[in-house]
Amino acid sequence: NAGVTQTPKFRILKIGQSMTLQCTQDMNHNYMYWYRQDPGMGLKLIYYSVGAGITDKGEVPNGYNVSRSTTEDFPLRLELAAPSQTSVYFCASSYWTSGKYEQYFGPGTRLTVT
Amino acid sequence: AQSVTQLDSQVPVFEEAPVELRCNYSSSVSVYLFWYVQYPNQGLQLLLKYLSGSTLVESINGFEAEFNKSQTSFHLRKPSVHISDTAEYFCAVSASGGAGKSTFGDGTTLTVKP
Repeated sequence: NAGVTQTPKFRILKIGQSMTLQCTQDMNHNYMYWYRQDPGMGLKLIYYSVGAGITDKGEVPNGYNVSRSTTEDFPLRLELAAPSQTSVYFCASSYWTSGKYEQYFGPGTRLTVT
Repeated sequence: AQSVTQLDSQVPVFEEAPVELRCNYSSSVSVYLFWYVQYPNQGLQLLLKYLSGSTLVESINGFEAEFNKSQTSFHLRKPSVHISDTAEYFCAVSASGGAGKSTFGDGTTLTVKP
């Protein structure tokens, strides 16, 4: 099991550029999430998905888009990068059923927009 | 709406001393509660969780947390800390269990000094 993998690890974007952050999990988890973490702050939920083909907005979705065509992959798209999107982005997946809960985070993508 | 307040942004403590990291939450519905640990330049790891049942939950590395519904708290404790416990700790609350729209606190930096 590789767990949750994210690419790239680091990226510098110019204002107005676009990019896709990749996230893949190999644990067959239904739930997947994208969070951003700003310095000195907790994580803020951007988007989440409860299964392939189903996505929904979190707390801070503006400026981002997601898709979930397979159980394994949950890419995050930034269309017009802005300095306010400078952050560390974490993808996570989870599994929950009666009496059992597990959740794993990826190692993060550090994004700088200048 | 739900929210989480971690009452201490930094907690310095000497090795082998006890520690308590405080977390209060607010929610209008029943909640699930989590503690995560983040080591430098890494993603978050789930440390322990309260989903139902016993209000005292334990992790494999000696931490414990107690769900107190009347105080709306979920404080994290360890009777004797090690240098290796130095990390950032996040408390999170979710009103929807595995579907995760978790709300995170801003984190507490635990620094264990020799």
